[in-house]
Amino acid sequence: DAGITQSPKHKVTETGTPVTLRCHQTENHRYMYWYRQDPGHGLRLIHYSYGVQDTNKGEVSDGYSVSRSNTEDLPLTLESAASSQTSVYFCASPHWTETDTQYFGPGTRLTVL
Amino acid sequence: SQQGEEDPQALSIQEGENATMNCSYKTSINNLQWYRQNSGRGLVHLILIRSNEREKHSGRLRVTLDTSKKSSSLLITASRAADTASYFCATVSRGGGADGLTFGKGTHLIIQP
Repeated sequence: DAGITQSPKHKVTETGTPVTLRCHQTENHRYMYWYRQDPGHGLRLIHYSYGVQDTNKGEVSDGYSVSRSNTEDLPLTLESAASSQTSVYFCASPHWTETDTQYFGPGTRLTVL
Repeated sequence: SQQGEEDPQALSIQEGENATMNCSYKTSINNLQWYRQNSGRGLVHLILIRSNEREKHSGRLRVTLDTSKKSSSLLITASRAADTASYFCATVSRGGGADGLTFGKGTHLIIQP
C-alpha cells in the first residue's frame, strides 16, 4: 500500500446518486489505475491515466468516469450509482523500479442499495 | 475479459506442506505476475516472470512459466499460517504494462495450523 491512499474506506449509497471515490498517491508517478474486484471475477480494469489530463477506458468503464487534474490524484466518479456497481474498488500505481508491477491502495468497499 | 484462470479456486493444506497453484492465460504475454491479497487488504506483488524465462525463485516461492501451454504455476514451500490469503496471477500484454494488468479470478489458500 506504500504511497497510495483511498477514501472513503466504506460507503453505502442509494441507486441513482452520484458517488466519487478518491485515490491519492505520493510517489509522483504519472500512471494510475482503477480496478474493481467482485467475487468470481478477480480484478477488472475500469479506467487508467498516463498523466495529467490523460484518461483511458479499461475493460469495464461503462458507468464510470475519471479526471486527472494533477499527478497525485485520480478520482473515480459514478455519475448515477447502480446496484451492479456494488464492489470493492482498488487504485494502483506502478512500482518505480519495476514499472510493469503495481502497488495497490487499501481499497474502498462500495454498497449501492 | 479475464486473461488468467487460476486452479484450484480454493486450497486447504496443513502448515509445513507445499502449496501449488496454477494459472492459465489466453493471449501472448510480455510477463506474468503473482499477487497475494490478505483478507480485506489490497494486493501485494510477489514475483514477476518474463516470457523468455521458464523458472524463477524468490525465498519460499517458485514460479514456472510454460508459454507453449500458456500456463504458470506458483509453488509455496514449507507453508506457514501467515500464507493464508488469496493469490492472483496477472498478465502483461506484449505491448507492456502501461495499459494495466489482466487478472485471473484467484486461488484462496488456507493453511491449517
